[in-house]
Amino acid sequence: SSELTQDPAVSVALGQTVRITCQGDSLRSYYATWYQQKPGQAPVVVIYDENNRPSGIPDRFSGSSSGNTASLTITGAQAEDEADYYCYSRDNSANHLRVFGGGTKLTVL
Amino acid sequence: QVQLVQSGAEVKKPGASVKVSCKASGYTFTDYGINWVRQAPGQGLEWMGWISAYSGNTSSAQKLQGRVTMTTDTSSSTAYMELRSLRSDDTAVYYCARDLVAVATNWFDPWGQGTLVIVSS
Repeated sequence: SSELTQDPAVSVALGQTVRITCQGDSLRSYYATWYQQKPGQAPVVVIYDENNRPSGIPDRFSGSSSGNTASLTITGAQAEDEADYYCYSRDNSANHLRVFGGGTKLTVL
Repeated sequence: QVQLVQSGAEVKKPGASVKVSCKASGYTFTDYGINWVRQAPGQGLEWMGWISAYSGNTSSAQKLQGRVTMTTDTSSSTAYMELRSLRSDDTAVYYCARDLVAVATNWFDPWGQGTLVIVSS
């Protein structure tokens, strides 16, 4: 099965821009989805279909991809953006299967 | 509004089975699939499987095949996930989530509130 690799932790100063990346072979075939999870809460989708935001998600969140890497960018990070972020994709080896990245803990300083 | 409401927490002994329910409201149940995702304490998200609420077709993660069964009851708009032969490392919060699909991707929205399953002797 495919794997998606994320950095375990990233930090950003308040108001600055941060990029969270996700690498995996499946991203050459399928767009990534990004989920935000705060402690004690269920995950929430922040980016889907590479760079689409659900209603209610601030426009400081954006997505992009290149080759086998997908990126989530937060432009002007806010204190409330401190959370775990997970990338997700279909499995390249069998598209009826799914895979999550290991998650990135974002700290806003 | 679209909502998924899951059953309450469970405590099970090793070797037992657990069945978690996920009741959908606010949309036509058979128009979407349901995914199951779990999260062990302090760990990341793990996709468990998917079921089509229309056809009942399923797919599941290879490591869980043979132990997990997903079903739906369209009359009550409820999805179920049963996990058998429980082990201590099955202790986790179990989530259901509606499946949304585009050409080259899919995503989960919304998610249920989660069901804590503790496996302990």
